[in-house]
Amino acid sequence: QKEVEQDPGPLSVPEGAIVSLNCTYSNSAFQYFMWYRQYSRKGPELLMYTYSSGNKEDGRFTAQVDKSSKYISLFIRDSQPSDSATYLCAMATSGTYKYIFGTGTRLKVLA
Amino acid sequence: GAVVSQHPSRVICKSGTSVKIECRSLDFQATTMFWYRQFPKKSLMLMATSNEGSKATYEQGVEKDKFLINHASLTLSTLTVTSAHPEDSSFYICSARLAGYEQYFGPGTRLTVT
Repeated sequence: QKEVEQDPGPLSVPEGAIVSLNCTYSNSAFQYFMWYRQYSRKGPELLMYTYSSGNKEDGRFTAQVDKSSKYISLFIRDSQPSDSATYLCAMATSGTYKYIFGTGTRLKVLA
Repeated sequence: GAVVSQHPSRVICKSGTSVKIECRSLDFQATTMFWYRQFPKKSLMLMATSNEGSKATYEQGVEKDKFLINHASLTLSTLTVTSAHPEDSSFYICSARLAGYEQYFGPGTRLTVT
C-alpha cells in the first residue's frame, strides 16, 4: 500500500463546475498537507498549505483535512479552462521536511 | 515572492559527459533545498535533501557519486549528473524551503542524454 493514494484521472468537468480532488493516506503521523498545481513541463506551484485538521480557503480554492479519516480534499469553485493541469497532494510529518507526494490527478476543464 | 529559478531549462548532452544544473532561490534564503526527479506522467521522486554548508542526504537507491549535490550558499544548490547515460534522461526539479514546511519549486530542467 502506498503511503499516499491519489486517483490519476483524468477528470473532465465543464467550465464553471465545482471540482473535488482527493487524497488518502496511511501514515497517521502526517501533520502538514499541501496541494500543488503542475502544468505540463513546468514545476509545481504551491496552491494550499495546511497544518493538521480543518478547512482553509483562498479565493476559489478550499482545502480540507480530515485526519480521523486520513483524507484530504481540494475544492475548486467556478473552474476555468486555465485550471486544467495536474494537481498533486503532498504531505510531511513533523520533524522532517521531506514531502511524500501523491501520483497527481489530471484535471481538464472544458470550455 | 518565493521564486525559485533553475538553469538550464533544457539540456542535451552526450553519453559519458557531466551536466550541472543550478537551483536558485531569488527572493529568499533557503537553508534546505530538495532535488526531485519526475518521469513522464508520474509524480515527483525525491532524490536528495541539500542543506547549506553540509553534505546532502540521499534517498535510498540514489547514487551519491553519480548525482553530486552542492549547497554552497543560502540561495544556490547545484546538481551535477556525472557520466550521464540515456537512462538519466528525465525532468529534474528543485525546491527550496521558505519557512516551516512550505516548499517552492523551480520550473524544472529537462535532461536528454544521447
